Amino acid sequence: GNSVTQMEGPVTLSEEAFLTINCTYTATGYPSLFWYVQYPGEGLQLLLKATKADDKGSNKGFEATYRKETTSFHLEKGSVQVSDSAVYFCALIRRNNNNDMRFGAGTRLTVKP
Amino acid sequence: NAGVTQTPKFRVLKTGQSMTLLCAQDMNHEYMYWYRQDPGMGLRLIHYSVGEGTTAKGEVPDGYNVSRLKKQNFLLGLESAAPSQTSVYFCASRPSGTGSDEQYFGPGTRLTVT
Repeated sequence: GNSVTQMEGPVTLSEEAFLTINCTYTATGYPSLFWYVQYPGEGLQLLLKATKADDKGSNKGFEATYRKETTSFHLEKGSVQVSDSAVYFCALIRRNNNNDMRFGAGTRLTVKP
Repeated sequence: NAGVTQTPKFRVLKTGQSMTLLCAQDMNHEYMYWYRQDPGMGLRLIHYSVGEGTTAKGEVPDGYNVSRLKKQNFLLGLESAAPSQTSVYFCASRPSGTGSDEQYFGPGTRLTVT
């Protein structure tokens, strides 16, 4: 079946540290891949996405590259801020059923000043 | 433009009680979704709708019913609540058409069943 596996948290970093959150997927065909972010007390917001192999999604200093050969979509940021503290979800949608979005378990990031 | 709103924000039910969660969107989106979020499991799709008057089952539909009588509203019902339905429930919507697979989420409803 289609699924997403992301690194377990929580992750605690100091401000300006480098962030990587690993995400790998299992899917038939070529899914679209997403990172969503959930700030405390809020719903999920789309952070970035990629729809085909080698695409790089980027937003607010975050980046992720769709790697078909390793079935991965790791999230990176070069210098995190306290305001980046949130829960991050990796997700995928299959092309032949774009109503079936599958999410990873989420990774909680805390950034300390 | 309020986006996606959910009512109520919090609710405590006793086992066996029933309730309805309301989701409303003002973006004229065709598609609407109900998810539940449980610790360590991410979000799982309960039911969804591809348009007014239509509904379909998702990954975890048992114990829930839904209705989409108006395009802007998507209701999630629990007929006889169980402790296993303690969760945070999120509604989402998106427009139809290719390239529009981003979903827009509401703020969530925290439900506790005792």
